[in-house]
Amino acid sequence: IVLTQSPGTLSLSPGERATLSCRASQSFSSRRLAWYQQKPGQPPRLLIYDASTRATGIPDRFSGSGSGSDFTLIISRLEPEDFAVYYCQQYDGPPRTFGQGTKVEIK
Amino acid sequence: EDQLVESGGGLVHPGGSLRLSCAASGFTFSSMNWVRQSPGKGLEWISYISSLDKTVHYADSVKGRFVTSRDNAGSSLYLQMNNLRVDDTATYYCARPQYCSGSSCYDDLWGQGTLVTVSS
Repeated sequence: IVLTQSPGTLSLSPGERATLSCRASQSFSSRRLAWYQQKPGQPPRLLIYDASTRATGIPDRFSGSGSGSDFTLIISRLEPEDFAVYYCQQYDGPPRTFGQGTKVEIK
Repeated sequence: EDQLVESGGGLVHPGGSLRLSCAASGFTFSSMNWVRQSPGKGLEWISYISSLDKTVHYADSVKGRFVTSRDNAGSSLYLQMNNLRVDDTATYYCARPQYCSGSSCYDDLWGQGTLVTVSS
């Protein structure tokens, strides 16, 4: 399953809303999709799993939605620490695959 | 504190070998993954090893060249990389899955990674 994320880069200001998209090359009946955040020099950090469940300690400004082949990550109000690269990843069928990432940068 | 620490990365010539290690601490050592990240290919899962029967699954890109093993007594994970190619250049992470559907997982704990550079 190939995951395509859009846009490649999102230029926004703190306090704005970010909407990130992840589209799968084939639909999957489960909602086995995760989102990760990665900052420079750090490993990925799990944000969302099962398409919409926040991982432990993740603030509620992060929300995930979607099913089938279209998934969305929304950051309701960007905080300075949210500027990073975000990856989606499916675990519906082997092999697990990642999207190419969306960079959220400060405008 | 739950922690994963990788080691063993470095510079190696094409065709060479390298062995990576991952030391786990703070949690019950369970199924584990290796994931790598290169500038050109992004994040790529490369292997999964189960906790009990040590069943291993590999990505096609490394099958036949890489071998994953584990030492449960020592809470350590290993990745033996043979016949290395230039496109194996990446940061290699060990990662702990929170949930797996077969060998497809998502991971809630990652190490800091170890850099492998394959170059002549």
